[in-house]
Amino acid sequence: AQTVTQSQPEMSVQEAETVTLSCTYDTSESDYYLFWYKQPPSRQMILVIRQEAYKQQNATENRFSVNFQKAAKSFSLKISDSQLGDAAMYFCAYRSHNAGNMLTFGGGTRLMVKP
Amino acid sequence: DADVTQTPRNRITKTGKRIMLECSQTKGHDRMYWYRQDPGLGLRLIYYSFDVKDINKGEISDGYSVSRQAQAKFSLSLESAIPNQTALYFCATSEGSSEETQYFGPGTRLLVL
Repeated sequence: AQTVTQSQPEMSVQEAETVTLSCTYDTSESDYYLFWYKQPPSRQMILVIRQEAYKQQNATENRFSVNFQKAAKSFSLKISDSQLGDAAMYFCAYRSHNAGNMLTFGGGTRLMVKP
Repeated sequence: DADVTQTPRNRITKTGKRIMLECSQTKGHDRMYWYRQDPGLGLRLIYYSFDVKDINKGEISDGYSVSRQAQAKFSLSLESAIPNQTALYFCATSEGSSEETQYFGPGTRLLVL
């Protein structure tokens, strides 16, 4: 079974600075998808960014980008120019290409943004 | 209007009571999911459904049941609630393509006393 590990329970960053959240996963598959979800205090799970394992190019979405290292099974999220609204829980998630589309989540990282 | 809605948003109940959590979606997606979230554990899959006639157990289905009443509706039941079912429950939907993304509802916070 796949596992997803987020080793940083909490992180903090100064407003306008850059922060990187770590995620590692364990799988024997070669074709899969990785996601970062944001959960603000409102509890809503919001998709931040996704990465297809077959793509070598790292995904980017505005201030959010990933560093996908397939051989190392690492999928970190970089937030540039951090804003107060970025404060939230961030979850890394894995989905196999074939395994019924089920998501496996990491335990989450709480990001605090200091003004 | 939200694409994925859940009712109720918050619920307090007592041990042994039957509880139903409801999920509706207007995205037209075939696939629907129920997850529970506990602190430090992320989200774990309870049940999922790929269409109205297809129901599958997830990682932690014991103590739960589901009903897919229509393409747009997927309800989760706790037949006899127990305190360790206190958690945040999320419904999600997805389109069903190989590159799909799951979209989540706002969550239901359940407290079992």
